[in-house]
Amino acid sequence: KAGVTQTPRYLIKTRGQQVTLSCSPISGHRSVSWYQQTPGQGLQFLFEYFSETQRNKGNFPGRFSGRQFSNSRSEMNVSTLELGDSALYLCASSTGQGLDTQYFGPGTRLTVL
Amino acid sequence: DQQVKQNSPSLSVQEGRISILNCDYTNSMFDYFLWYKKYPAEGPTFLISISSIKDKNEDGRFTVFLNKSAKHLSLHIVPSQPGDSAVYFCAASEGSQGNLIFGKGTKLSVKP
Repeated sequence: KAGVTQTPRYLIKTRGQQVTLSCSPISGHRSVSWYQQTPGQGLQFLFEYFSETQRNKGNFPGRFSGRQFSNSRSEMNVSTLELGDSALYLCASSTGQGLDTQYFGPGTRLTVL
Repeated sequence: DQQVKQNSPSLSVQEGRISILNCDYTNSMFDYFLWYKKYPAEGPTFLISISSIKDKNEDGRFTVFLNKSAKHLSLHIVPSQPGDSAVYFCAASEGSQGNLIFGKGTKLSVKP
């Protein structure tokens, strides 16, 4: 079974721009969660989508948004980029039911200049 | 306010010996706990998990112990190998919510 894939792997943007990141989950998984990893804050939960609906949301500003498609693929969008948005963005997929193990993709390294 | 804490930022162990990584949590509603291994600039790799109804789970060289009364879990790696050198994250979740709460990680170095 193919793992979680994320594109692009690396991205450089400037302040004020917006960016879209993509995540393809493991086949059969209906839940996709997004996380931000920074040296100072560690791994922090952004949001989770299950069956095309946002099911959970972390404490991030509204500039961070996402969506999920009918094939469970998910996208994350960050608008009006700030320097502090530079981070490794990780997505994880799971079945979304029961005591559930999340499997992570390789991440997208976003650098905001 | 950290709900999941890994109080040791680093741990150094000799090859062949046991590595013990510790994790404490504060939320008594957590019912599923996981350990991930991570290399820089890569995604976390799932190692082992345990539900709150168990106190031990083994998978090869990896064993996770859960002490609910102390709100403490630990990961034992026996025997430790140089390839185990990485950052280990403890994570917890409540129910089937897709919201994992992570500790800050412990960097394990296994010396030959």
